[in-house]
Amino acid sequence: NAGVMQNPRHLVRRRGQEARLRCSPMKGHSHVYWYRQLPEEGLKFMVYLQKENIIDESGMPKERFSAEFPKEGPSILRIQQVVRGDSAAYFCASSFKDGNTIYFGEGSWLTVV
Amino acid sequence: LAKTTQPISMDSYEGQEVNITCSHNNIATNDYITWYQQFPSQGPRFIIQGYKTKVTNEVASLFIPADRKSSTLSLPRVSLSDTAVYYCLVGDINTDKLIFGTGTRLQVFP
Repeated sequence: NAGVMQNPRHLVRRRGQEARLRCSPMKGHSHVYWYRQLPEEGLKFMVYLQKENIIDESGMPKERFSAEFPKEGPSILRIQQVVRGDSAAYFCASSFKDGNTIYFGEGSWLTVV
Repeated sequence: LAKTTQPISMDSYEGQEVNITCSHNNIATNDYITWYQQFPSQGPRFIIQGYKTKVTNEVASLFIPADRKSSTLSLPRVSLSDTAVYYCLVGDINTDKLIFGTGTRLQVFP
């Protein structure tokens, strides 16, 4: 059983460009979560999605950040007009609909230069 | 959301048993207690989860007293490769998101 798959693992963007991070949940999982981790800090919740629905986006910055989880295909975390402060590791996790555990991917490291 | 409190860091030596305690005084009835391990440049890895009493798997044991206001992760005979950050999370993912605390940085020495 494949785990949570994230790509790209590493992404370099210049200030002002767009970054797109993709996450394919574990097989059978219908819930996806995105977390951000700055260097030497803990994981901060960003957004929680089900297929075609955003359930909780209380951790998402109000501007430039968006997330989706379409009926078909991976979940996408999109960051527009990136700034240096967006440089971080972005982790995706997934769970079953009525599960009690979320499982994480290996992360996508965004570097803004 | 139940807030968790863990020691910031712990040191141990190879072969010793390590116990990391997490306090969660306002845990709710439907909340589960979950522990994750994170190595540098990797995603958090699920270690163990419990609701009450004791849970054991091939990696660790989790002790939860009757009042559930705390829990203890027990790692038997640690090795150098157990050096990592350990996070205690409390919550019910069916009703709310899981919030990570600062974690406990375990350093294992030879």
